Amino acid sequence: AQRVTQPEKLLSVFKGAPVELKCNYSYSGSPELFWYVQYSRQRLQLLLRHISRESIKGFTADLNKGETSFHLKKPFAQEEDSAMYYCALWGAGNMLTFGGGTRLMVKP
Amino acid sequence: DSGVTQTPKHLITATGQRVTLRCSPRSGDLSVYWYQQSLDQGLQFLIQYYNGEERAKGNILERFSAQQFPDLHSELNLSSLELGDSALYFCASSDSGGYNEQFFGPGTRLTVL
Repeated sequence: AQRVTQPEKLLSVFKGAPVELKCNYSYSGSPELFWYVQYSRQRLQLLLRHISRESIKGFTADLNKGETSFHLKKPFAQEEDSAMYYCALWGAGNMLTFGGGTRLMVKP
Repeated sequence: DSGVTQTPKHLITATGQRVTLRCSPRSGDLSVYWYQQSLDQGLQFLIQYYNGEERAKGNILERFSAQQFPDLHSELNLSSLELGDSALYFCASSDSGGYNEQFFGPGTRLTVL
């Protein structure tokens, strides 16, 4: 069975500080990994996917197969980054498995 | 609005009742996905339809069923409702059945009293 774990339910940082939202997965095959984000009063939307290897809104995520992790990072947090972040894995059974989510609060 | 739409926004009902949630995908999207989000279980995949056919099934209860119609809108039917079915139900759509980006609707909040 595939599983996604986000160990932190809440992460609070000050504006300008680095941010790392942790995501660990368990999956026997080769995973496709995503980060989805939900800003206040907005819909859940895709932030980035590992296959694209791109930076979106200053965020990057690297797939580490050895550590089975896909942590989301940003060097300098902005207040507008405050949101709920979900790590998700596309694997067996043609389904997207989500982690429990991490609420990021960026304080001024 | 060309995005995913869901109706109703809120639904309050009693235990033992049956409800139907409706989802219209983005224009051109053939796949529809249903998710349940509850406080204790997080965001859980329920079921996927692709162009009218069931494509994948997650932890969907037997009391729940779904279908996708020829115009590609989908309905999620929940019957014999229990208190624990209270949750936010999301619909998402994508242009294919694979791992392409899923576009989410605003959700339907179901409260079972």
